[in-house]
Amino acid sequence: GAGVSQSPSNKVTEKGKDVELRCDPISGHTALYWYRQSLGQGLEFLIYFQGNSAPDKSGLPSDRFSAERTGGSVSTLTIQRTQQEDSAVYLCASSRTSGLGNEQFFGPGTRLTVL
Amino acid sequence: AQSVSQHNHHVILSEAASLELGCNYSYGGTVNLFWYVQYPGQHLQLLLKYFSGDPLVKGIKGFEAEFIKSKFSFNLRKPSVQWSDTAEYFCAVNAPGTASKLTFGTGTRLQVTL
Repeated sequence: GAGVSQSPSNKVTEKGKDVELRCDPISGHTALYWYRQSLGQGLEFLIYFQGNSAPDKSGLPSDRFSAERTGGSVSTLTIQRTQQEDSAVYLCASSRTSGLGNEQFFGPGTRLTVL
Repeated sequence: AQSVSQHNHHVILSEAASLELGCNYSYGGTVNLFWYVQYPGQHLQLLLKYFSGDPLVKGIKGFEAEFIKSKFSFNLRKPSVQWSDTAEYFCAVNAPGTASKLTFGTGTRLQVTL
């Protein structure tokens, strides 16, 4: 596609439920990143993929968060047993490859609200 | 740990005023530097980037930024702002050994009044 797409655009869930957020990167981009944007914490890195591998998961806030990427394309971020502090906008970005000299292109985000 | 500081949290300017937003980073080696903009209701868009070469970088919509290595700074400038520049601006850094992730500043909310 022309840009990074994410779905759903908005998700409202009840505390304790699991949610899945999807990211479709720009075609041909091998690197994919997840970030979180919240009022108190700003923009935080969560995890990145090079191909289907996740060399850096250091930003995942707890073991309730996981992500996978299949076929070197679509990625899913899963949050289990959601908590109110998980409410945020989850952003996905992709780049041609990882490392210096690569620009990251961002998707529109998924706004998650945990009631 | 690598960090990025944006000193101005909220800036209010009249149209045609000049703009300078500060950005300082903590990493001492080779870095890639970015300014992203988020217009109300829209997603993050790249304004400009510095990878290497000329430290004065020109971006879209008349924005420019200057990389000053000795000051660890990458300030964003625009000679004359427009009402349509109202947005939030984020400085970001990508450095070797940081797993390709971007480290963002806390953002500066710019409000341009008519």
